Amino acid sequence: GENVEQHPSTLSVQEGDSAVIKCTYSDSASNYFPWYKQELGKGPQLIIDIRSNVGEKKDQRIAVTLNKTAKHFSLHITETQPEDSAVYFCAASGGGADGLTFGKGTHLIIQP
Amino acid sequence: KAGVTQTPRYLIKTRGQQVTLSCSPISGHRSVSWYQQTPGQGLQFLFEYFSETQRNKGNFPGRFSGRQFSNSRSEMNVSTLELGDSALYLCASSQQGPYQETQYFGPGTRLLVL
Repeated sequence: GENVEQHPSTLSVQEGDSAVIKCTYSDSASNYFPWYKQELGKGPQLIIDIRSNVGEKKDQRIAVTLNKTAKHFSLHITETQPEDSAVYFCAASGGGADGLTFGKGTHLIIQP
Repeated sequence: KAGVTQTPRYLIKTRGQQVTLSCSPISGHRSVSWYQQTPGQGLQFLFEYFSETQRNKGNFPGRFSGRQFSNSRSEMNVSTLELGDSALYLCASSQQGPYQETQYFGPGTRLLVL
């Protein structure tokens, strides 16, 4: 089945700086890569996703890049704000019948 | 549109008991997936239901089961609870399934097994 590795597990950045979270996946047949943000006491919420026919996608301060050859994808958050503090999960899907396979998560801390 | 709802939000059970959790998907969504979230294992796929049929299943023992009703509402059941079943159980809905389309998650049911 699919295996998704996510790094780092904790990321602390100064408010206003950029944050980058990286994920690798194992199944070359995977073709859908969403990113979720989970705040304390809530379920994960989709923030951006990318499909395998696209290399980059941007939505305001958030961007995701995908390198299918290397089987890795990254989340970029620019001009970070206190409300960006949360746990972020990457996921991969489409290569099999296992639903979404998630990374272990990154705890993003925005320092004032 | 109302979001995904899950009931109950919190549950305390003892070992050996069984538990049933409920999920109401977003109106019009026919696919419901269930996930278990723990600090050690992260988010793990349990199973997915579509039009009342289990379409996919993750790597969990047979004590974990589910069903879906004609109105797309879904329940999952865990029998003979073990301490390791303590977790946040999340359901997610989508129109066609968790493959290449957005899944919307509910707030989860937090289960504590004593």
